[in-house]
Amino acid sequence: QVQLVQSGAEVKKPGASVKVSCKASGYTFTGYYIHWVRQAPGQGLEWMGWLNPNSGGTNYAQKFQGRVTMTRDTSISTAYMELSRLRSDDTALYYCARSRHGEEGAFDYWGQGTLVTVSS
Amino acid sequence: QSALTQPASVSGSPGQSTTISCTGTSSDVGSYNLVSWYQQHPGEAPKLIIYEVTKRPSGVSNRFSGSKSGNTASLTISGLQAEDEAHYYCCSYAGRSTLVFGGGTKLTVL
Repeated sequence: QVQLVQSGAEVKKPGASVKVSCKASGYTFTGYYIHWVRQAPGQGLEWMGWLNPNSGGTNYAQKFQGRVTMTRDTSISTAYMELSRLRSDDTALYYCARSRHGEEGAFDYWGQGTLVTVSS
Repeated sequence: QSALTQPASVSGSPGQSTTISCTGTSSDVGSYNLVSWYQQHPGEAPKLIIYEVTKRPSGVSNRFSGSKSGNTASLTISGLQAEDEAHYYCCSYAGRSTLVFGGGTKLTVL
């Protein structure tokens, strides 16, 4: 069965970086785009960008350009999302999600979420 | 990129129908038949319930249906059940390989 398993919770200080992993299983990792979506406490969903695991190509929401980097390691079917220069308002639950339609969305499987807390 | 506009909350009684709107612009909802809807229960990851405006993934109840007119997409839930109480989010392709979510709607089953 398809599964996306994310790394554990992180606590970071303002200005630091965080790298979240998303390990895929149950399907061909390179066949589906991975998107990253975050959700601040009590707030809605916010799209951050996508990674094409086959080519390594990426595209990021304008809001995060210059601060986010999405990469992958195909040998272990794992995608990564690194966010730098963290601020307190980056505190959120970060999800990876598999897309049925590449860059066009429709997220049919989601990771369990990784809580990133930014606090001094 | 501005978020799509959804009502903050809607409600309905068991057995009734309710509709959640999702208003965008001619640059996103109005230009592409690539609107998806997600259901999220507290403490859980979102679940895909509608994609490409009207399509339901396998296993999703046919009580959920989607539509679109102009810049506004809609999710209709018929025969409301207690288990439908959740947050619902729309999402649209917005061109240039980007996506945008709505602010979310809390559905209360009275």
